[in-house]
Order: sequence, then structure tokens, then C-alpha cells
Amino acid sequence: DSGVTQTPKHLITATGQRVTLRCSPRSGDLSVYWYQQSLDQGLQFLIQYYNGEERAKGNILERFSAQQFPDLHSELNLSSLELGDSALYFCASSPSLDQPQHFGDGTRLSIL
Amino acid sequence: GENVEQHPSTLSVQEGDSAVIKCTYSDSASNYFPWYKQELGKRPQLIIDIRSNVGEKKDQRIAVTLNKTAKHFSLHITETQPEDSAVYFCAATRGSGGYQKVTFGIGTKLQVIP
Repeated sequence: DSGVTQTPKHLITATGQRVTLRCSPRSGDLSVYWYQQSLDQGLQFLIQYYNGEERAKGNILERFSAQQFPDLHSELNLSSLELGDSALYFCASSPSLDQPQHFGDGTRLSIL
Repeated sequence: GENVEQHPSTLSVQEGDSAVIKCTYSDSASNYFPWYKQELGKRPQLIIDIRSNVGEKKDQRIAVTLNKTAKHFSLHITETQPEDSAVYFCAATRGSGGYQKVTFGIGTKLQVIP
């Protein structure tokens, strides 16, 4: 158990819909990262937050947004969903900006 | 931006043999290089990492080497076991001014044949 909690574990929805993925970092970790992993693909960095502030952006689509709340949990919002958005979405956290990241178990998103 | 190339994409070794996975990166400002192991359907797990001020690090059967001049780093697994079978990802991390941007390699699928 990494200490990073992601909910839900699975999500099935239709094209055009909007979903919210939730992440609770390890106790004491201030930094949260979101990644997308499509089938048999590598990990694509989406976005990073540190203590409530956005700090780095990767290949995140404009249809996607995220935020980190004062209690440090984070949410990733995906809207106008397309078939290609089907993937495993991972959240990771670290104590500070130059420490190892620990991953949650992911949310598997399936778009029908 | 940063580009991380990882090879081979697949690797099969006999149990007990060694496995080597290599990565190259493009951004000379990258200063932290973790390696992750991901079993099928599970989360990536950090197995070893190295910082830019260190050339080599070892943890039991796993070692990582870094050549900053050539911008490449490698994962070495000795005495491989069937449970080492997984996908391994390298990553290059650049952190400054309050952010940490991570670029992962495409992954290497390691199969250890009993």
C-alpha cells in the first residue's frame, strides 16, 4: 500500500460526458501529480500541484482540468469525453518537489 | 522539452542471468532519475533512483548508473528471478523554481524465463 488513495477504481461512462477523479495523497505529502496511461503505453505526465498551487503542466488537454484543495486532496476533471480518453489515470504524491513519487492504484476509465 | 528514449522495448532473459535497460535524455538540466516497476494492472512502484551528483547506486540485485556527460542512465538487474518480470520505466526529472517536471520512457517489458 503506497498510502495514495484514488477513487473510484473503475469508471464507465459515455462519450460527451464529464467525470471527476479523486486523489488523496500520502499523509504529509504536499505535491500531487496526475498521469495518463493508455493501453500498452507509457506514462504521460498531465499536471502537478504543490500545496494547492499548479506548478507544472505536461500533455494535458484543454478539456481536462485539475485542482488541489486546502486539505491537499486533488481532483482531475475530464469533460467532453472521447473514446480516446479511455485509459488508466494515476495520481502520485511526494513530500516536496525533489523527492520520489509514490503512485496510487489508479482509476480505470472506460468510455463507451 | 525533455525527451527520454528507453530501450529495449522488450527483453527476455533466462532466470539467473542479468538484464540491462538503457535510457537517454535530452535536457541537461534534468537532475533526478527514478526507475519504476509496473506489474500488469498495477501501479508503478519506485525501485531505485539516482541524482545527478552520483554516478552509481546499488540496492541488492538492482543497480543504476548515470553518465551525465553522455546523458544516459541504465538499470542493471543481476540474478534475475521470475518475479522480476514486469514493465520497467525510467524517468528524467527536472526540478527548479518550485516545480518538478517528469518525463517517462516508453517502458521495457522484461520477461524472465524460468
